[in-house]
Amino acid sequence: DTGVSQDPRHKITKRGQNVTFRCDPISEHNRLYWYRQTLGQGPEFLTYFQNEAQLEKSRLLSDRFSAERPKGSFSTLEIQRTEQGDSAMYLCASSPPSGGRYTGELFFGEGSRLTVL
Amino acid sequence: DQQVKQNSPSLSVQEGRISILNCDYTNSMFDYFLWYKKYPAEGPTFLISISSIKDKNEDGRFTVFLNKSAKHLSLHIVPSQPGDSAVYFCAASAEAQKLVFGQGTRLTINP
Repeated sequence: DTGVSQDPRHKITKRGQNVTFRCDPISEHNRLYWYRQTLGQGPEFLTYFQNEAQLEKSRLLSDRFSAERPKGSFSTLEIQRTEQGDSAMYLCASSPPSGGRYTGELFFGEGSRLTVL
Repeated sequence: DQQVKQNSPSLSVQEGRISILNCDYTNSMFDYFLWYKKYPAEGPTFLISISSIKDKNEDGRFTVFLNKSAKHLSLHIVPSQPGDSAVYFCAASAEAQKLVFGQGTRLTINP
């Protein structure tokens, strides 16, 4: 399977614990995005990388959240001192270089569902 | 501030009829608009897109219409099929940056 891969698919943790999610994008996709989706809402942008550079961070991304993309390949999203409000589906997406022909299409993974008790 | 809005949380349509999903946006800098489809326990998948220089784009049973003066776009599915039952998200971007999504509309196609 050559799609976007996310791990773990489901994480249950206690409030105050740290959690880390991993995303493996489609190979040769230079952009990688993290979104968060809560029940009844659309995906909300968190951050995105072009290669290894983090180009934009949403104000939703508090200082408890950190994302990395070392070497421009896979990415990790870490949440420290989790709160019940962090419970959501965390979606990763990637997109290829546009080559002057932008399509806007993102390729999403199946998501990592976080439940904070 | 909700820059992309889908005001209908749900829509029910009879099989074979036309489904029309609507989306409004507020940011005049948006220059690309997309529709995504999402099944339960899966990530969203791309359906169709339109550039702001066009007012219509068609792909098989799916057509997207863009009315820039009204800041409104719509997705038409005809004829609707049971497999079209899913949540549909409208999304927009400005200058090839991040996508901003609407809240989604749950479409149910009844046999």
